[in-house]
Amino acid sequence: DSGVTQTPKHLITATGQRVTLRCSPRSGDLSVYWYQQSLDQGLQFLIQYYNGEERAKGNILERFSAQQFPDLHSELNLSSLELGDSALYFCASSASLAGGRNEQFFGPGTRLTVL
Amino acid sequence: AQTVTQSQPEMSVQEAETVTLSCTYDTSENNYYLFWYKQPPSRQMILVIRQEAYKQQNATENRFSVNFQKAAKSFSLKISDSQLGDTAMYFCAFMNPLNYGGATNKLIFGTGTLLAVQP
Repeated sequence: DSGVTQTPKHLITATGQRVTLRCSPRSGDLSVYWYQQSLDQGLQFLIQYYNGEERAKGNILERFSAQQFPDLHSELNLSSLELGDSALYFCASSASLAGGRNEQFFGPGTRLTVL
Repeated sequence: AQTVTQSQPEMSVQEAETVTLSCTYDTSENNYYLFWYKQPPSRQMILVIRQEAYKQQNATENRFSVNFQKAAKSFSLKISDSQLGDTAMYFCAFMNPLNYGGATNKLIFGTGTLLAVQP
């Protein structure tokens, strides 16, 4: 158990819908990352937050957005869903922003299926 | 841009034998971290081992060790005394640690190597 929790574990929805994925980082971790794992794109970085502020963006679609709340949990919002958005979405957390060990610990992932 | 390449999509090894998974990367940075992550059928991403680029000594974690060749930009993972529980997808990952000035410590992953340990 990495200490990172993600809900829900599985999500099945229809095209055009909107969903919210939730992540709680390890206790004390200030940085949260979102990754998408799909068959055609592999594992790719979406976005990073640190202590409530967006720090870096990767290949995140405009239909997707995220935020980190004062209690440090994070939500990834996916809207106008398409079949190609079906993937495993991981949240990871790390203790610091710069230097140090910077290891990222991954949650169990949310499996999103768009029908 | 940094890239990570894993040229072995699948590998197989007999139980108790040794296997080496290959990884190469491309970067112009001098300070970075490299990681191997394991993803078993449960899909959980588990950190296996890490290497800091400024350290010349190869990292080891029990049966797992790396061969880090900075000049060649190569970072291979050796698994000794392979066990059935080592069956998983293995991902090599690169990270340029965040420095105040704009870099990000996002992980850049290779495409993975599916390792099957045969009894």
